[in-house]
Amino acid sequence: AQTVTQSQPEMSVQEAETVTLSCTYDTSESDYYLFWYKQPPSRQMILVIRQEAYKQQNATENRFSVNFQKAAKSFSLKISDSQLGDAAMYFCAYRSPQGGFQKLVFGTGTRLLVSP
Amino acid sequence: EAGVAQSPRYKIIEKRQSVAFWCNPISGHATLYWYQQILGQGPKLLIQFQNNGVVDDSQLPKDRFSAERLKGVDSTLKIQPAKLEDSAVYLCASILGPGSKTQYFGPGTRLLVL
Repeated sequence: AQTVTQSQPEMSVQEAETVTLSCTYDTSESDYYLFWYKQPPSRQMILVIRQEAYKQQNATENRFSVNFQKAAKSFSLKISDSQLGDAAMYFCAYRSPQGGFQKLVFGTGTRLLVSP
Repeated sequence: EAGVAQSPRYKIIEKRQSVAFWCNPISGHATLYWYQQILGQGPKLLIQFQNNGVVDDSQLPKDRFSAERLKGVDSTLKIQPAKLEDSAVYLCASILGPGSKTQYFGPGTRLLVL
Protein backbone atom coordinates (compact mmCIF):
# COMPACT_ATOMS: atom_id res chain seq x y z
CA ALA A 1 0.00 0.00 0.00
CA GLN A 2 1.11 3.51 -0.69
CA THR A 3 2.07 5.79 2.19
CA VAL A 4 2.72 9.53 2.35
CA THR A 5 4.88 11.14 5.03
CA GLN A 6 5.05 14.80 5.96
CA SER A 7 7.71 15.16 8.63
CA GLN A 8 7.12 18.84 9.41
CA PRO A 9 4.04 19.29 11.65
CA GLU A 10 4.43 23.07 11.53
CA MET A 11 6.44 25.63 9.60
CA SER A 12 6.72 29.38 9.97
CA VAL A 13 7.56 32.01 7.40
CA GLN A 14 7.49 35.79 7.21
CA GLU A 15 5.59 37.65 4.55
CA ALA A 16 7.47 37.93 1.24
CA GLU A 17 9.87 35.16 2.21
CA THR A 18 10.14 31.66 0.72
CA VAL A 19 9.27 28.42 2.49
CA THR A 20 9.57 24.77 1.48
CA LEU A 21 7.28 22.02 2.74
CA SER A 22 8.54 18.45 2.56
CA CYS A 23 6.79 15.27 1.51
CA THR A 24 8.03 11.75 0.89
CA TYR A 25 6.04 8.79 -0.30
CA ASP A 26 6.38 5.09 -0.75
CA THR A 27 5.07 3.19 -3.76
CA SER A 28 5.97 0.34 -6.06
CA GLU A 29 4.11 1.90 -9.00
CA SER A 30 5.93 3.71 -11.76
CA ASP A 31 3.09 5.96 -12.83
CA TYR A 32 1.02 8.03 -10.42
CA TYR A 33 -0.08 11.53 -9.50
CA LEU A 34 1.05 13.71 -6.62
CA PHE A 35 -0.86 16.67 -5.23
CA TRP A 36 -0.55 19.46 -2.73
CA TYR A 37 -3.84 20.57 -1.19
CA LYS A 38 -4.38 23.64 0.99
CA GLN A 39 -6.93 23.60 3.81
CA PRO A 40 -7.50 27.03 5.43
CA PRO A 41 -9.03 27.03 8.94
CA SER A 42 -12.67 25.94 8.78
CA ARG A 43 -12.64 26.16 5.00
CA GLN A 44 -12.64 23.62 2.27
CA MET A 45 -9.65 21.87 0.81
CA ILE A 46 -8.46 23.29 -2.49
CA LEU A 47 -5.88 22.03 -4.95
CA VAL A 48 -2.61 23.96 -5.00
CA ILE A 49 -0.60 22.02 -7.54
CA ARG A 50 -0.45 18.65 -9.30
CA GLN A 51 2.45 16.61 -10.68
CA GLU A 52 2.27 13.60 -13.00
CA ALA A 53 5.06 11.14 -12.26
CA TYR A 54 5.85 10.57 -15.94
CA LYS A 55 6.66 14.25 -16.40
CA GLN A 56 10.23 15.19 -15.58
CA GLN A 57 9.49 18.89 -15.51
CA ASN A 58 8.51 20.25 -12.12
CA ALA A 59 5.02 21.74 -11.95
CA THR A 60 4.60 25.46 -11.30
CA GLU A 61 1.53 27.53 -10.48
CA ASN A 62 2.32 31.21 -9.96
CA ARG A 63 4.09 31.45 -6.56
CA PHE A 64 3.88 27.70 -5.97
CA SER A 65 6.33 25.20 -7.39
CA VAL A 66 7.38 21.66 -6.63
CA ASN A 67 10.66 19.81 -6.51
CA PHE A 68 9.80 16.30 -7.69
CA GLN A 69 12.56 13.74 -7.18
CA LYS A 70 11.13 10.45 -8.45
CA ALA A 71 14.07 8.24 -7.54
CA ALA A 72 14.14 9.63 -4.01
CA LYS A 73 10.32 9.55 -3.81
CA SER A 74 10.32 13.13 -2.67
CA PHE A 75 7.81 15.85 -3.53
CA SER A 76 8.38 19.20 -1.83
CA LEU A 77 6.34 22.38 -2.22
CA LYS A 78 8.01 25.77 -2.45
CA ILE A 79 5.98 28.88 -1.75
CA SER A 80 7.64 32.08 -2.90
CA ASP A 81 6.75 35.61 -1.79
CA SER A 82 4.59 34.23 1.04
CA GLN A 83 1.36 36.05 1.81
CA LEU A 84 -0.82 36.11 4.93
CA GLY A 85 -3.47 34.23 2.97
CA ASP A 86 -1.12 31.30 2.53
CA ALA A 87 -1.56 30.39 6.20
CA ALA A 88 -3.27 27.00 6.26
CA MET A 89 -2.76 23.27 6.59
CA TYR A 90 -1.02 21.81 3.58
CA PHE A 91 -1.53 18.18 2.67
CA CYS A 92 0.54 16.12 0.29
CA ALA A 93 -1.42 13.37 -1.45
CA TYR A 94 -0.76 10.41 -3.74
CA ARG A 95 -3.06 8.86 -6.33
CA SER A 96 -2.72 5.88 -8.60
CA PRO A 97 -3.72 6.58 -12.20
CA GLN A 98 -5.10 3.20 -13.03
CA GLY A 99 -8.52 1.72 -12.66
CA GLY A 100 -11.47 3.03 -10.73
CA PHE A 101 -9.78 3.10 -7.36
CA GLN A 102 -8.63 6.67 -7.60
CA LYS A 103 -8.61 7.41 -3.91
CA LEU A 104 -6.17 9.93 -2.55
CA VAL A 105 -3.71 8.84 0.13
CA PHE A 106 -2.89 11.83 2.30
CA GLY A 107 -0.03 12.72 4.59
CA THR A 108 -0.66 14.08 8.08
CA GLY A 109 -0.28 17.68 6.97
CA THR A 110 1.96 20.65 7.70
CA ARG A 111 0.55 23.75 9.36
CA LEU A 112 2.01 26.88 7.76
CA LEU A 113 2.11 30.03 9.85
CA VAL A 114 2.73 33.34 8.09
CA SER A 115 3.76 36.38 10.11
CA PRO A 116 3.75 40.03 8.96
CA GLU B 1 -19.87 26.37 -11.61
CA ALA B 2 -21.20 25.45 -8.18
CA GLY B 3 -18.86 23.47 -5.96
CA VAL B 4 -19.45 20.41 -3.82
CA ALA B 5 -22.15 21.15 -1.25
CA GLN B 6 -22.39 19.52 2.17
CA SER B 7 -24.78 19.85 5.08
CA PRO B 8 -24.95 20.31 7.93
CA ARG B 9 -21.69 22.16 8.53
CA TYR B 10 -21.62 21.29 12.21
CA LYS B 11 -23.29 18.61 14.31
CA ILE B 12 -23.07 17.78 17.99
CA ILE B 13 -24.58 14.52 19.23
CA GLU B 14 -24.26 12.19 22.18
CA LYS B 15 -22.72 8.77 21.86
CA ARG B 16 -25.05 6.03 20.72
CA GLN B 17 -27.18 8.54 18.78
CA SER B 18 -27.46 8.45 15.01
CA VAL B 19 -26.48 11.14 12.53
CA ALA B 20 -26.64 11.66 8.78
CA PHE B 21 -24.63 13.84 6.44
CA TRP B 22 -25.58 14.98 2.96
CA CYS B 23 -23.43 15.71 -0.07
CA ASN B 24 -24.29 17.15 -3.47
CA PRO B 25 -21.35 16.83 -5.88
CA ILE B 26 -20.48 19.09 -8.78
CA SER B 27 -23.00 18.66 -11.58
CA GLY B 28 -22.02 15.87 -13.93
CA HIS B 29 -19.40 14.35 -11.64
CA ALA B 30 -19.83 10.60 -11.71
CA THR B 31 -17.44 9.69 -8.93
CA LEU B 32 -18.07 10.67 -5.31
CA TYR B 33 -15.92 10.10 -2.24
CA TRP B 34 -16.48 10.32 1.51
CA TYR B 35 -13.40 10.95 3.64
CA GLN B 36 -13.00 11.04 7.43
CA GLN B 37 -10.52 13.58 8.78
CA ILE B 38 -9.69 13.14 12.46
CA LEU B 39 -8.09 16.14 14.15
CA GLY B 40 -4.37 16.27 13.44
CA GLN B 41 -4.54 13.70 10.64
CA GLY B 42 -4.97 13.69 6.90
CA PRO B 43 -8.27 12.63 5.36
CA LYS B 44 -8.88 8.90 5.06
CA LEU B 45 -11.18 7.42 2.44
CA LEU B 46 -14.34 5.80 3.79
CA ILE B 47 -16.21 4.99 0.60
CA GLN B 48 -16.12 5.72 -3.13
CA PHE B 49 -19.07 5.65 -5.52
CA GLN B 50 -19.04 5.46 -9.29
CA ASN B 51 -22.50 6.71 -10.29
CA ASN B 52 -24.72 4.84 -7.81
CA GLY B 53 -22.45 1.83 -7.36
CA VAL B 54 -19.86 1.31 -4.63
CA VAL B 55 -16.29 1.06 -5.94
CA ASP B 56 -14.38 0.89 -2.66
CA ASP B 57 -15.72 0.64 0.88
CA SER B 58 -12.86 -1.34 2.38
CA GLN B 59 -12.21 1.29 5.08
CA LEU B 60 -15.86 1.85 6.03
CA PRO B 61 -16.78 0.50 9.50
CA LYS B 62 -19.83 -1.30 8.23
CA ASP B 63 -21.16 -2.21 11.65
CA ARG B 64 -22.04 1.44 12.24
CA PHE B 65 -21.48 3.40 9.04
CA SER B 66 -23.60 3.25 5.91
CA ALA B 67 -23.74 5.32 2.74
CA GLU B 68 -25.87 5.48 -0.33
CA ARG B 69 -26.08 7.32 -3.62
CA LEU B 70 -29.41 6.20 -4.95
CA LYS B 71 -29.76 8.22 -8.15
CA GLY B 72 -26.07 8.68 -8.86
CA VAL B 73 -26.11 12.31 -7.71
CA ASP B 74 -26.60 13.19 -4.03
CA SER B 75 -25.18 10.97 -1.33
CA THR B 76 -25.83 10.46 2.36
CA LEU B 77 -23.48 9.05 4.97
CA LYS B 78 -24.99 7.72 8.19
CA ILE B 79 -23.51 6.72 11.51
CA GLN B 80 -25.58 4.59 13.87
CA PRO B 81 -24.77 4.36 16.72
CA ALA B 82 -22.08 7.01 17.03
CA LYS B 83 -18.99 6.52 19.18
CA LEU B 84 -16.70 9.11 20.73
CA GLU B 85 -13.96 8.24 18.22
CA ASP B 86 -16.25 9.21 15.34
CA SER B 87 -15.63 12.87 16.17
CA ALA B 88 -14.06 14.20 12.99
CA VAL B 89 -14.65 16.25 9.87
CA TYR B 90 -16.43 14.31 7.15
CA LEU B 91 -15.40 15.48 3.71
CA CYS B 92 -17.19 14.81 0.46
CA ALA B 93 -15.32 15.06 -2.82
CA SER B 94 -16.20 14.49 -6.44
CA ILE B 95 -14.46 13.97 -9.74
CA LEU B 96 -15.79 14.06 -13.29
CA GLY B 97 -14.91 10.49 -14.12
CA PRO B 98 -12.18 7.82 -14.24
CA GLY B 99 -9.98 9.81 -16.58
CA SER B 100 -10.08 13.01 -14.54
CA LYS B 101 -7.14 13.96 -12.36
CA THR B 102 -8.38 16.33 -9.68
CA GLN B 103 -10.83 15.78 -6.84
CA TYR B 104 -12.89 18.74 -5.69
CA PHE B 105 -13.79 18.90 -2.02
CA GLY B 106 -16.79 20.22 -0.16
CA PRO B 107 -16.50 22.33 3.02
CA GLY B 108 -17.00 19.30 5.25
CA THR B 109 -19.25 18.46 8.18
CA ARG B 110 -17.65 18.78 11.60
CA LEU B 111 -19.05 16.13 13.96
CA LEU B 112 -18.56 16.18 17.71
CA VAL B 113 -19.70 13.13 19.68
CA LEU B 114 -20.08 13.71 23.41
